Amino acid sequence: DSGVTQTPKHLITATGQRVTLRCSPRSGDLSVYWYQQSLDQGLQFLIQYYNGEERAKGNILERFSAQQFPDLHSELNLSSLELGDSALYFCASSDGPQNTETQYFGPGTRLLVL
Amino acid sequence: GESVGLHLPTLSVQEGDNSIINCAYSNSASDYFIWYKQESGKGPQFIIDIRSNMDKRQGQRVTVLLNKTVKHLSLQIAATQPGDSAVYFCAENRDYGQNFVFGPGTRLSVLP
Repeated sequence: DSGVTQTPKHLITATGQRVTLRCSPRSGDLSVYWYQQSLDQGLQFLIQYYNGEERAKGNILERFSAQQFPDLHSELNLSSLELGDSALYFCASSDGPQNTETQYFGPGTRLLVL
Repeated sequence: GESVGLHLPTLSVQEGDNSIINCAYSNSASDYFIWYKQESGKGPQFIIDIRSNMDKRQGQRVTVLLNKTVKHLSLQIAATQPGDSAVYFCAENRDYGQNFVFGPGTRLSVLP
């Protein structure tokens, strides 16, 4: 158990809908990272937050957004969902701002868009 | 759990043998590398890392080798055990402080 929690574990929705994925980092970690893992594209970095502020941005679509709250939990919002958004979404956390520190991954949220 | 990367390259080894998993990276400017292990239904788990000023780093039963000349990274697992069965990813940090780029992964299957 990495100490990172993610909810929900599974999510099934329809195209055009909007969903919110939630992540709680390990106790004491200030950075949260979001990743997407799909069968055809592997694991892709989406975005990083550090202590409430956006720190780094990767291959995140404009339809997707994230935020980190004062209690350090984070939410990833996916809107206007398309079939191709079906994937595993992982959250990871680390204690500092630099992403060269060890990142601890949560168990993931499996999203299926029908 | 869900299978990740159904068409991943697969390495099958006998229990007790040594395993070598390879990874090619593309950016000569990458200066930090990590190997992750992902078991079925779980998130990636950090195994070992190495910086570009090193050629070799050892952990418990694992060794990472970095060859910057040919942009190649390898993970060696000694005395492979059934619990080592998983998908292994390498990740490179291309822009320091920005984001990691992950390789496609290799599925390690340990045969009894």
